[in-house]
Amino acid sequence: GAVVSQHPSRVICKSGTSVKIECRSLDFQATTMFWYRQFPKQSLMLMATSNEGSKATYEQGVEKDKFLINHASLTLSTLTVTSAHPEDSSFYICSAVDEKLFFGSGTQLSVL
Amino acid sequence: TQLLEQSPQFLSIQEGENLTVYCNSSSVFSSLQWYRQEPGEGPVLLVTVVTGGEVKKLKRLTFQFGDARKDSSLHITAAQTGDTGLYLCAGGDNYGQNFVFGPGTRLSVLP
Repeated sequence: GAVVSQHPSRVICKSGTSVKIECRSLDFQATTMFWYRQFPKQSLMLMATSNEGSKATYEQGVEKDKFLINHASLTLSTLTVTSAHPEDSSFYICSAVDEKLFFGSGTQLSVL
Repeated sequence: TQLLEQSPQFLSIQEGENLTVYCNSSSVFSSLQWYRQEPGEGPVLLVTVVTGGEVKKLKRLTFQFGDARKDSSLHITAAQTGDTGLYLCAGGDNYGQNFVFGPGTRLSVLP
C-alpha cells in the first residue's frame, strides 16, 4: 500500500515556541492531505484539509493562525503549531489519499 | 452532514472469544474502510469494502458491508491479545477524497 511518512514522531518544546510537523507521501502524489488531532483514548478529530497550491480548509473551532498548514508540493504538507502552549499537547496525525486513505505514524507533541 | 456511529464504544474480552463491532450511518457511502490503531501510532488500514453486501476476510477478521452501503461490521474470531487497539471505520464519498470517521471501538483482549 501507499506510504505516508510523518516527522518528527515525538517533540518536546517550551511554551511559546513554534513546532513544525511534516507529512510526506513517499510513493504517490497527494493533492489533498488531512490533519487530525487525537487526545488520549479518543478517536481522531479532523482539524483541517490541506490542499496543494491553495489555502487549507479548517474545521469549525480550529484556529487558523494557531495551526498553520502549508501544502507547497504534491508530496509534502506541513503543520506548524505556533506559539505552542501546554494545552496544545496532543497526538497529531496526517493522512493522504491514494484511492484509499493512508495515515502517517503520528507526532506526539508535548509542550512544557 | 454524514455521521458514522460505532458500537460498542468499549469492549473488553478474554483471549479466544469472538466479537463483533458495528459501524452505522444514515448515509450511503461509496466505500467504507476499517482501521486499527495502536497507542502512539497512526491508524493502519485493514480493509476497504465498496460493494453492498460484500464480505471480506483477513485471517480471523471478517468484514461485511451492508446491502444498502450504510453500515458495516467487523467480526473477530478467537481474539488474541495482539488484536487490542482502537478500531475505526471511515466512510468515503464518490470522489475518494472526503472521509467521515466513526468515533471508534476500543478493544481490549485480556490474556
